[in-house]
Amino acid sequence: GAGVSQSPRYKVTKRGQDVALRCDPISGHVSLYWYRQALGQGPEFLTYFNYEAQQDKSGLPNDRFSAERPEGSISTLTIQRTEQRDSAMYRCASSSASRGVNEQYFGPGTRLTVT
Amino acid sequence: QQQVKQSPQSLIVQKGGISIINCAYENTAFDYFPWYQQFPGKGPALLIAIRPDVSEKKEGRFTISFNKSAKQFSLHIMDSQPGDSATYFCAASDRGSTLGRLYFGRGTQLTVWP
Repeated sequence: GAGVSQSPRYKVTKRGQDVALRCDPISGHVSLYWYRQALGQGPEFLTYFNYEAQQDKSGLPNDRFSAERPEGSISTLTIQRTEQRDSAMYRCASSSASRGVNEQYFGPGTRLTVT
Repeated sequence: QQQVKQSPQSLIVQKGGISIINCAYENTAFDYFPWYQQFPGKGPALLIAIRPDVSEKKEGRFTISFNKSAKQFSLHIMDSQPGDSATYFCAASDRGSTLGRLYFGRGTQLTVWP
């Protein structure tokens, strides 16, 4: 079956603009996670949802970052008034949370470049 | 503060050899420890995972060894192949294993020479 998909794959934006990154999880997966991955580093947690409820947003760097998952499926990560330090790979993962284990499956990511 | 510390940063192994990557943690609430494999340009892919009620888990050429008292776990790749060349990340979570954030190590870049 189809894996996690993300769009766009690449986004170049000017400083100060808003961007919206989309994640389409594996069908039927109830949990959805957003991570940010710097080059040469492991993914760093941003936020996650169970169904449409945002369970933990402690990893969001500041209030310019927000996320939603209104119907419990597709999620959007929005960054307002982008800054150069926001440039990174943004990854989405989903999990069925079944079998009692936290198996998270990652998408290909969106490479954000803020100029 | 890095919740999961991973070493080495890079590893070069000859084909057929054993690759060993180590991770350590401090948070005793961690109860799920996956390893991810990442090829250039791709997202991390779940490779193998272990829970602290067992000391070892083996899947094919990949084995996780877990030492609860030392708060350490490691990935062993037996008979390493050039196709295993990738970046490997260890991770941990603490939400009853069923959900919640993963804390990742910094990664190990493995190169297997033919």
